[in-house]
Amino acid sequence: NAGVTQTPKFQVLKTGQSMTLQCAQDMNHEYMSWYRQDPGMGLRLIHYSVGAGITDQGEVPNGYNVSRSTTEDFPLRLLSAAPSQTSVYFCASSYTSGAPSRGYTFGSGTRLTVV
Amino acid sequence: KQEVTQIPAALSVPEGENLVLNCSFTDSAIYNLQWFRQDPGKGLTSLLLIQSSQREQTSGRLNASLDKSSGRSTLYIAASQPGDSATYLCAVRTNAGKSTFGDGTTLTVKP
Repeated sequence: NAGVTQTPKFQVLKTGQSMTLQCAQDMNHEYMSWYRQDPGMGLRLIHYSVGAGITDQGEVPNGYNVSRSTTEDFPLRLLSAAPSQTSVYFCASSYTSGAPSRGYTFGSGTRLTVV
Repeated sequence: KQEVTQIPAALSVPEGENLVLNCSFTDSAIYNLQWFRQDPGKGLTSLLLIQSSQREQTSGRLNASLDKSSGRSTLYIAASQPGDSATYLCAVRTNAGKSTFGDGTTLTVKP
């Protein structure tokens, strides 16, 4: 089925470890983004991309890196995991301007625990 | 900076009731507004998308309205069912492409 695929679904890291959360979409969406969702703080934008080779920071970018080498993939890298990065991470994609709909499609999320 | 508020934070109703969920935003220069449903431990499922030029959108028992001048959107759910129990979030998107999400309203529909 077409959509946004996130892997892994669950991950436990030790403080200081690094890892990459994967996000792939097969809808030819130009726009891709990463959010984290924490109780009482809602969804907060980490990084986003409006096309291959173009990325920008969102509201809470510190401790995370992204790259966009293809239209389909938008991985999120945790450089040195900290307990404050324990959260549920969502990837979302959409078309950009000029398309009939700019609604988001979300992945099913990655639940990350840093101990 | 856009701020999005959803009131109430939680709502409990008996099955069969019609109900309204509210979403308020501070900056009326929006591109669109999208309503989502989120079940516990799951991702966000899109329900309705309203472009800035539209006043409302309907899908089945759901109707979403948009009033940019007053900075408000409502999600109307008709004849609620226990399966409607979930958290409902609204997201307001700017012309630059970024969205601001509300914290959501958690709905419980009791049989």
